[in-house]
Amino acid sequence: GAVVSQHPSRVICKSGTSVKIECRSLDFQATTMFWYRQFPKQSLMLMATSNEGSKATYEQGVEKDKFLINHASLTLSTLTVTSAHPEDSSFYICGTGQGPGAGNGEAFFGQGTRLTVV
Amino acid sequence: KQEVTQIPAALSVPEGENLVLNCSFTDSAIYNLQWFRQDPGKGLTSLLLIQSSQREQTSGRLNASLDKSSGRSTLYIAASQPGDSATYLCAVRGNTPLVFGKGTRLSVIA
Repeated sequence: GAVVSQHPSRVICKSGTSVKIECRSLDFQATTMFWYRQFPKQSLMLMATSNEGSKATYEQGVEKDKFLINHASLTLSTLTVTSAHPEDSSFYICGTGQGPGAGNGEAFFGQGTRLTVV
Repeated sequence: KQEVTQIPAALSVPEGENLVLNCSFTDSAIYNLQWFRQDPGKGLTSLLLIQSSQREQTSGRLNASLDKSSGRSTLYIAASQPGDSATYLCAVRGNTPLVFGKGTRLSVIA
């Protein structure tokens, strides 16, 4: 299957600082990537859809100015958590851009990033 | 709005036992259903993908079935091993990106 690499796997930052998470597709070109957030013992919740060369599409309730998404190339999407607060502490994970009708639709995910804001 | 439910939330079985994990979804208009494995603090590993036109898929000791009309899927694990201990997630894809269930946390006791 496709390989998605996410970095860093774990990060601790101070409240008020910004953190950038990178998501790379290593063996295919991803026109779309998805960013999810997972709280303990909860399901993965879609935050936004990252589109190469255009603006990301955010889910209802997700602040676009706080969670900046950039998809500047077909192999790299980044999520920047700006002015992080302790309530932003969570597990963030990116997935491949298997949108409706795209191929067989199998989705692959990165290793995830555990963000802790202190 | 699509909702995915997984039962049970947690399951503990002795090694060697066969087991079934359940997944149900509210909107049957899906393209496919995918089962994932998640180890603690790790990403998702794709286990099986079932297209909406298919009824089951098999990979090794894993067998997943899909009854699209009733909104149900099962993941069957044969001859469970301690290494199977993980959280198993079910996700469905329709006209929106993948919608996940909360998962079933499986513990296989040696």
